[in-house]
Amino acid sequence: TQLLEQSPQFLSIQEGENLTVYCNSSSVFSSLQWYRQEPGEGPVLLVTVVTGGEVKKLKRLTFQFGDARKDSSLHITAAQPGDTGLYLCAGNLSGNTGKLIFGQGTTLQVKP
Amino acid sequence: KAGVTQTPRYLIKTRGQQVTLSCSPISGHRSVSWYQQTPGQGLQFLFEYFSETQRNKGNFPGRFSGRQFSNSRSEMNVSTLELGDSALYLCASTYGTGGHEQYFGPGTRLTVT
Repeated sequence: TQLLEQSPQFLSIQEGENLTVYCNSSSVFSSLQWYRQEPGEGPVLLVTVVTGGEVKKLKRLTFQFGDARKDSSLHITAAQPGDTGLYLCAGNLSGNTGKLIFGQGTTLQVKP
Repeated sequence: KAGVTQTPRYLIKTRGQQVTLSCSPISGHRSVSWYQQTPGQGLQFLFEYFSETQRNKGNFPGRFSGRQFSNSRSEMNVSTLELGDSALYLCASTYGTGGHEQYFGPGTRLTVT
């Protein structure tokens, strides 16, 4: 059983479209991170959300942490080919551990 | 500030052999976590070290082990390699013990034949 359910698993869209990726769980997380990974490289941290209801923006990317700290979403506005990659959500169940629980990932392809 | 470095980047081993992977964290970071990434299982937590002590361990067999040195550098070892151990092994470093912001290295691609 996957502790963090990420959807959709695959997304292929045209440049300029908007998209949302979801990360859901029945567990409460002390924090949740979003990463982006390119083929053959390690994940790169995009954002960390800690407070329930928190919204963070990173240029065209908007991240939200659910009020109950069980879910999160990533919204990309006007996607560009450079946004192509694997997006991963990862949650930390306890603030005293470095163990991250990862979602399965969303492979995003943005076509020009 | 230099990022997390992992060596080697690529490795090919034969079943039954053992392998040691190395990770140097970001300067000043004292916590190192290791993950295994495969197409079928995604990223799975192996173990975490802080101040040379293992703080957490994932659900992997005892063939997987690790250690951390006084300079925070870490190594992981896999003994008696199996085909299923083929994966991208990633290490991540964090300043403290909270694990909220982990910075990953490029990974070591291990292929077991």
